[in-house]
Amino acid sequence: DAGVIQSPRHEVTEMGQEVTLRCKPISGHNSLFWYRQTMMRGLELLIYFNNNVPIDDSGMPEDRFSAKMPNASFSTLKIQPSEPRDSAVYFCASSLDRTSHEQFFGPGTRLTVL
Amino acid sequence: GENVEQHPSTLSVQEGDSAVIKCTYSDSASNYFPWYKQELGKGPQLIIDIRSNVGEKKDQRIAVTLNKTAKHFSLHITETQPEDSAVYFCAASTGTASKLTFGTGTRLQVTL
Repeated sequence: DAGVIQSPRHEVTEMGQEVTLRCKPISGHNSLFWYRQTMMRGLELLIYFNNNVPIDDSGMPEDRFSAKMPNASFSTLKIQPSEPRDSAVYFCASSLDRTSHEQFFGPGTRLTVL
Repeated sequence: GENVEQHPSTLSVQEGDSAVIKCTYSDSASNYFPWYKQELGKGPQLIIDIRSNVGEKKDQRIAVTLNKTAKHFSLHITETQPEDSAVYFCAASTGTASKLTFGTGTRLQVTL
């Protein structure tokens, strides 16, 4: 299995631009998580899905952030408009289901907003 | 919500020595406590976990202990090797869903 796949691995954009991060979970996994990692705040859960349905989005910082999961094999995290304080590493993780706690992380997307 | 504190933030040990990382949690309903290892440029990877019905769990050189009364759990690495150098995160979950709350991380440096 290829593991969780994220793209792009690196993204540099200018303030105000739209950014879309992509994630392909492990095949057969029903839960998907988006995290943000910064030096100041550590690993923060932004949102998670179960069976393609958003379960908890309380970690989404503000309306500029949105996430979708149109099918079991694909999810996006969009930031519009982006701001310099959004610069971070964004991780996607998947787990087998809601009762299976082990989460498998992707390699992350390093986002820099100038 | 759950709050997880982790200490120390950095830890340097000599190869062959032991390393101990400690975490405390706030939600008494938490019943699942994993530890993740993150190497440079990679995502965190689960190395060991423990559930609240167990006090200690061991896997080769790695062990985790849990004290539910005191609401703290610890990671013990014995006979450390240079490849153990990484950032380690503890986490806690109430178990009703897969949602994890992570600690702030410990950067472990194993020196020769």
